[in-house]
Amino acid sequence: GENVEQHPSTLSVQEGDSAVIKCTYSDSASNYFPWYKQELGKRPQLIIDIRSNVGEKKDQRIAVTLNKTAKHFSLHITETQPEDSAVYFCAAMLTGKLIFGQGTTLQVKP
Amino acid sequence: DVKVTQSSRYLVKRTGEKVFLECVQDMDHENMFWYRQDPGLGLRLIYFSYDVKMKEKGDIPEGYSVSREKKERFSLILESASTNQTSMYLCASSLPSYEQYFGPGTRLTVT
Repeated sequence: GENVEQHPSTLSVQEGDSAVIKCTYSDSASNYFPWYKQELGKRPQLIIDIRSNVGEKKDQRIAVTLNKTAKHFSLHITETQPEDSAVYFCAAMLTGKLIFGQGTTLQVKP
Repeated sequence: DVKVTQSSRYLVKRTGEKVFLECVQDMDHENMFWYRQDPGLGLRLIYFSYDVKMKEKGDIPEGYSVSREKKERFSLILESASTNQTSMYLCASSLPSYEQYFGPGTRLTVT
């Protein structure tokens, strides 16, 4: 089955710096890769997603890149703000199921 | 706006009790999912359903069962709760191959 590895598990940056979170997946048939943000005590919410026919997608300060050959995808957050502090999960979809990474706790220091 | 609700935010049960967690969505989504979330382990899929009365095992189905009698409702059942089932339980729904929308979660403690 699919396996998703996510790194790093924790990330601390200064406000205004960039943050990068990386994920690898094992099954080349995976075709949809969403990223979720979970603030403390709240439900995970989708922040950006990418499908396997696209290499990069950007939405304001957030971007996701996908390398199908290497089977990895990354989340890039630029000009980080304190409200970006949260746990971020990557996921890969295979046969309708999402397999999640272990999560990255991002702390943005003012 | 998609709405996924769960029957309880917090639940405390005793070992051996039968526990029912309910999830309701209002967007006519075909797919519904139950996950448990534990620190450092991410979200792990327990069971999912593609249609009414259909269910499929996820990665960690042992000790759990599910019921989907109506399209909008997906129930998770712990037949005999154990302390290792203490966790956050999240329900989600989606259209096929699209974004999943999560409920607020139920924090279950089994003593």
